[in-house]
Amino acid sequence: KQEVTQIPAALSVPEGENLVLNCSFTDSAIYNLQWFRQDPGKGLTSLLLIQSSQREQTSGRLNASLDKSSGRSTLYIAASQPGDSATYLCAAHNDYKLSFGAGTTVTVRA
Amino acid sequence: DTAVSQTPKYLVTQMGNDKSIKCEQNLGHDTMYWYKQDSKKFLKIMFSYNNKELIINETVPNRFSPKSPDKAHLNLHINSLELGDSAVYFCASSQGRWRGAFFGQGTRLTVV
Repeated sequence: KQEVTQIPAALSVPEGENLVLNCSFTDSAIYNLQWFRQDPGKGLTSLLLIQSSQREQTSGRLNASLDKSSGRSTLYIAASQPGDSATYLCAAHNDYKLSFGAGTTVTVRA
Repeated sequence: DTAVSQTPKYLVTQMGNDKSIKCEQNLGHDTMYWYKQDSKKFLKIMFSYNNKELIINETVPNRFSPKSPDKAHLNLHINSLELGDSAVYFCASSQGRWRGAFFGQGTRLTVV
């Protein structure tokens, strides 16, 4: 059974600081790993998808790495802005099932 | 043009009632899912369907019955609603196992 853990559970940083969000998973037989953003009372917005054969993906200020053998992924957000305040979720995709971590709630202070 | 749409967005109902939530995706995906997000915000899979066939049923009570009339639709019917069913239910879709998943905006179900 896939177990996904996200550390830290919450993070508060001043604007401009870089963010590092960690995700670990127990079953390395994943097809891909996906990072999402969730704003309060809203749905999930996909940020980055890393295929199991890839080491990293980049989109603008976001960069996600994947080390499948050690069961880890890291999301980096450069030069954080107040608009980055949200909950970030990682999901490991096994056979027709995404297993989610509990999320990291980020607050960026202006 | 919404990719994954759920109706209704909000649902308030009394204990013991039966209700349905509808989900439609216009992405041409072959796999659809139902997830439940509880009060602690943890997302847990309930069902997944691939090409209208049930693949995952994650120990969900029999009161919950999904139905996939075609690959673009996955509806969720709930019988005899209980207080503990109050949560946000998310529908999602993906193309098989290799592509990313897209989520709907969620249905907030409140049982009183």
